[in-house]
Amino acid sequence: ETGVTQTPRHLVMGMTNKKSLKCEQHLGHNAMYWYKQSAKKPLELMFVYSLEERVENNSVPSRFSPECPNSSHLFLHLHTLQPEDSALYLCASSQSSGAGGNNEQFFGPGTRLTVL
Amino acid sequence: AQSVAQPEDQVNVAEGNPLTVKCTYSVSGNPYLFWYVQYPNRGLQFFLKYITGDNLVKGSYGFEAEFNKSQTSFHLKKPSALVSDSALYFCAVRGWSGGFKTIFGAGTRLFVKA
Repeated sequence: ETGVTQTPRHLVMGMTNKKSLKCEQHLGHNAMYWYKQSAKKPLELMFVYSLEERVENNSVPSRFSPECPNSSHLFLHLHTLQPEDSALYLCASSQSSGAGGNNEQFFGPGTRLTVL
Repeated sequence: AQSVAQPEDQVNVAEGNPLTVKCTYSVSGNPYLFWYVQYPNRGLQFFLKYITGDNLVKGSYGFEAEFNKSQTSFHLKKPSALVSDSALYFCAVRGWSGGFKTIFGAGTRLFVKA
């Protein structure tokens, strides 16, 4: 596998369920990101991890819980979500999250989440 | 505060005509500017970037973007559109806002009609 992969690609869950999204990057990058993409809205940055340490948490509700066990893997644990949380969740990675300008992000295909 | 604006939700162009997808930004200091593209049923992909140097950045498939500091813009252009260019285009700016952050615009859907 190359690039950034995400599983599952589609997920339907009830509001009381607990599920996890998985992201894996095969690019040797040090930073990983979770984004939420909703129709007609800017990409919303949720979390940033740099060298497995969370460096940014943009006021995301606690029902979303990230985990970064190593620089290649990133999880998003979901618990008691709301219907408005339905969206495309994108994972991305980059060489670093710091001041480096050569810092384009590489995105996975996303997980389409539907909360019933 | 750092921000990116893509004033058009959708741009419609006939095949063979020139296209422009607009982006303006606000950031402290020198910006790093990016375009990303999302083709139908595919993930978001890096398209091109401006870091420093020549204000005109050339990307893939005949696209280019021009950094205009005085107008704080980074419009994406192509002299002759193809149907296959139809996609969702996101502008992003990376700059200092209490730490280096990348902010994405809301996206512009480009529709090229044959």
